[in-house]
Amino acid sequence: EPEVTQTPSHQVTQMGQEVILRCVPISNHLYFYWYRQILGQKVEFLVSFYNNEISEKSEIFDDQFSVERPDGSNFTLKIRSTKLEDSAMYFCASSPDEIAKNIQYFGAGTRLSVL
Amino acid sequence: AQSVTQLDSHVSVSEGTPVLLRCNYSSSYSPSLFWYVQHPNKGLQLLLKYTSAATLVKGINGFEAEFKKSETSFHLTKPSAHMSDAAEYFCVVSEPVSNTGKLIFGQGTTLQVKP
Repeated sequence: EPEVTQTPSHQVTQMGQEVILRCVPISNHLYFYWYRQILGQKVEFLVSFYNNEISEKSEIFDDQFSVERPDGSNFTLKIRSTKLEDSAMYFCASSPDEIAKNIQYFGAGTRLSVL
Repeated sequence: AQSVTQLDSHVSVSEGTPVLLRCNYSSSYSPSLFWYVQHPNKGLQLLLKYTSAATLVKGINGFEAEFKKSETSFHLTKPSAHMSDAAEYFCVVSEPVSNTGKLIFGQGTTLQVKP
């Protein structure tokens, strides 16, 4: 069964460093998402991406964050200058089409630890 | 604004006994509702979904949920728990009017299954 793949599974970085979290969505899916979960808190929506542009972003998704689909398979989340409070589990998701865009398939997540 | 409340942060049952995970939602519109499960070190897996069709929804692994508009509830049930059901469960809402498919998560319920 096709699945969403995220790498790395765990990323450790120093405060102020840039990190790139990588995701390979399910092939032929058209909608892409990033969510995050700070330890002990809810899973929160960060951003949705369709047709090579952001379609919606949350208040969390400030200028320090960016997303990109550099080729036909990868979908990345970049944090330019990490802060301690960026430590969280980051989930990538994809959905197939307009009709089923809220039926999302998730990866296993990348745990980001900012020291 | 839409929101989801999972009434129990932790539920413990014995193997072979029924499971009930409670979820209440708040939405200005007719929502789509989902239950996701997350096993350790795995991605979020869709268990079942309600999208304004039958109010009793059957999902994978013997789980089902009933949409009750009058009670604004979408509780998850299973007649007989299995050890492999031990995991984190998330109730999720999405509004049809959302152009982007953004999902709103509850805080999660940890299901423990005792032998």
